[in-house]
Amino acid sequence: DTGVSQNPRHKITKRGQNVTFRCDPISEHNRLYWYRQTLGQGPEFLTYFQNEAQLEKSRLLSDRFSAERPKGSFSTLEIQRTEQGDSAMYLCASTVTGLQVGYTFGSGTRLTVV
Amino acid sequence: KNEVEQSPQNLTAQEGEFITINCSYSVGISALHWLQQHPGGGIVSLFMLSSGKKKHGRLIATINIQEKHSSLHITASHPRDSAVYICAVRSNTDKLIFGTGTRLQVFP
Repeated sequence: DTGVSQNPRHKITKRGQNVTFRCDPISEHNRLYWYRQTLGQGPEFLTYFQNEAQLEKSRLLSDRFSAERPKGSFSTLEIQRTEQGDSAMYLCASTVTGLQVGYTFGSGTRLTVV
Repeated sequence: KNEVEQSPQNLTAQEGEFITINCSYSVGISALHWLQQHPGGGIVSLFMLSSGKKKHGRLIATINIQEKHSSLHITASHPRDSAVYICAVRSNTDKLIFGTGTRLQVFP
């Protein structure tokens, strides 16, 4: 297993366009988290899944954001009608519930909206 | 007030110095993590603590559950230790809550 994989690493898009990011967690990990990090700040929670169920969604997330984990494996995060304020690093992490197992992070997708 | 507070926000040191970064939290937790983030964004987990003290090489992490406080120490600091160090707590609802990070620069 090569850890948590995120694609693409970088995305530059024009304002108003839709973008989709993908996260492939560690295969045995049933929990998958999405975070957003802006410059100089710590990551902020966006949403998380246990298997295919989306258990929580942050109030920070507008209706333009949607996330799925259809088969309980990989997850996608879509942003519709992007705005300049969406520019950030989007981080994915996975872990296992019920065990003292740490989180494994992906390298992130850096989004720049121009 | 943030649920996880770190201090200092920025830290500069000369190579060889002993470094301490502090973390205080206000929520119930099942574990506390110390993470390292290099430019470019990748996050690496350094420690996961639920009690006591852990040591890995030149890094030492301690936690006091009663005082809701943790420290990360770096002995004999080196320029390659330059990074952002983030404290994150795993809440009782299994969510990671991050501090804003401490930016460390170690000069030769």
